[in-house]
Amino acid sequence: QKEVEQNSGPLSVPEGAIASLNCTYSDRGSQSFFWYRQYSGKSPELIMSIYSNGDKEDGRFTAQLNKASQYVSLLIRDSQPSDSATYLCAVNDPNTGKLIFGQGTTLQVKP
Amino acid sequence: ETGVTQTPRHLVMGMTNKKSLKCEQHLGHNAMYWYKQSAKKPLELMFVYNFKEQTENNSVPSRFSPECPNSSHLFLHLHTLQPEDSALYLCASSQDRVLSTDTQYFGPGTRLTVL
Repeated sequence: QKEVEQNSGPLSVPEGAIASLNCTYSDRGSQSFFWYRQYSGKSPELIMSIYSNGDKEDGRFTAQLNKASQYVSLLIRDSQPSDSATYLCAVNDPNTGKLIFGQGTTLQVKP
Repeated sequence: ETGVTQTPRHLVMGMTNKKSLKCEQHLGHNAMYWYKQSAKKPLELMFVYNFKEQTENNSVPSRFSPECPNSSHLFLHLHTLQPEDSALYLCASSQDRVLSTDTQYFGPGTRLTVL
């Protein structure tokens, strides 16, 4: 069974701090990795996609991918209360093309 | 707005009712998906359509019946549901699920409550 693992949290950080969200996956052949943000009662919203080892930055967000260790992370710099949400990690299954979602990590940014 | 719309946004139905959920995408995508999201659980893929053809049925009970008349529209027909079917039902679309870089965009979801 293909798996994507996330710590469900909640992860609590003070406003202005760096929030670090982690995700591990089981299929070494996975090639595409996505981070979605989901506010309570809303649908998932794509934040970042990453396909190559290393870092990818977009504003306050940085995605990091390490295929050898099979983990992908999301860093949020200068965290704001509006960043409080559940962050879903999704990894493609190379055999079926399906996206496998993790359970999500709930982030709380305290003012 | 992601370009994927869903109606209704909220639905309350009895176990004997028949209702339908509708999804429409304005992105020119070729693949559409139905997901179920229950509390404290990961997103569960239900059905996948690629170029209007169903390519995936993830062992979904027959009380859920999908329909994809064209690449822009997707329906989920519901009948004789159970209270445990209460959840957020999400529609998503993507350009082409064969692509390894294929990205899915979600609609706002339908919050379904079965009494």
